Amino acid sequence: DIQMTQSPSSLSASVGDRVTITCRASQSIYGYLNWYQQKPGKAPKVVIFAASSLQSGVPSRFSGSGSGTDFALTISSLQPEDFATYYCQQSYSTPLAFGQGTRVEIK
Amino acid sequence: EVQLLESGGGLVQPGGSLRLSCAASEFTFDNYALSWVRQAPGKGLEWVSAISGSGGSTYYAVSVEGRFTISRDNSKNTLFLQLDSLRAEDTAVYSCAKHQGFSVFKGRLDSWGQGTLVTVSS
Repeated sequence: DIQMTQSPSSLSASVGDRVTITCRASQSIYGYLNWYQQKPGKAPKVVIFAASSLQSGVPSRFSGSGSGTDFALTISSLQPEDFATYYCQQSYSTPLAFGQGTRVEIK
Repeated sequence: EVQLLESGGGLVQPGGSLRLSCAASEFTFDNYALSWVRQAPGKGLEWVSAISGSGGSTYYAVSVEGRFTISRDNSKNTLFLQLDSLRAEDTAVYSCAKHQGFSVFKGRLDSWGQGTLVTVSS
C-alpha cells in the first residue's frame, strides 16, 4: 500500500504570507496527486488535481507542483478564507490514501 | 449542481450492523465512480471504499475489508455501504464522494456529501 506523509502537521501564518505544504508518497504515484481544503464542519473541496492543475473556481494564489514521490501545495499570499486543513490524496492505486492533514492557523 | 445526501447513520453496539445510503442527483449517476470516506471526531480523512460506475469493480481499505460492503443501485441513483461487525474505531462521519470519471483511479473526488455520523458504543 502507498503511504502519504504530509508536513508540517500544522503551521501558523499571517495574512499575506507565502505558505508551502509538502506531501511525500512511499512510492511513485507519477502525477496522480490531489489536494483538498477542509473547513470546520464542512465537506472537503478539491483545490489542486493531477499535482498541478487548478480546480475551476479556486483562486490562482493556489498552486501545486511535483511528480513521482514529492509534491507541494503553495499559497502565494494567504488570505483569511484560506485558514483551513489541507489534505493530499493519491489516486494512482487503492487504497486511495490521504495524508494526515496540515492545519493552517492564523498567527 | 451535484447533490449527494447521506443517511442511515446512528448509534450501534460493537458487533452490530448498519446500512448507509447516499442519494445522488444532478449528474448521470452510472457514468461516475463513487467512494466512501470517513472522518473520526477530530481526526483526518480516511478513504474507506470505492466502486466503479458500473458497479463491477469494488475496492476497500484494509481496515474494513471483509466487514464492509459497497454497492450501488444505478436505477435509483443510490450508493450504499453495509457496515457489519462494527468496532469502536469505526466511529466517524461517513461521507460519499463522486469521482471525476467512470474509473476509481487517476482522478479526483470532485463532489462530496455532508456525511452521516456512525457511533459504535455500548
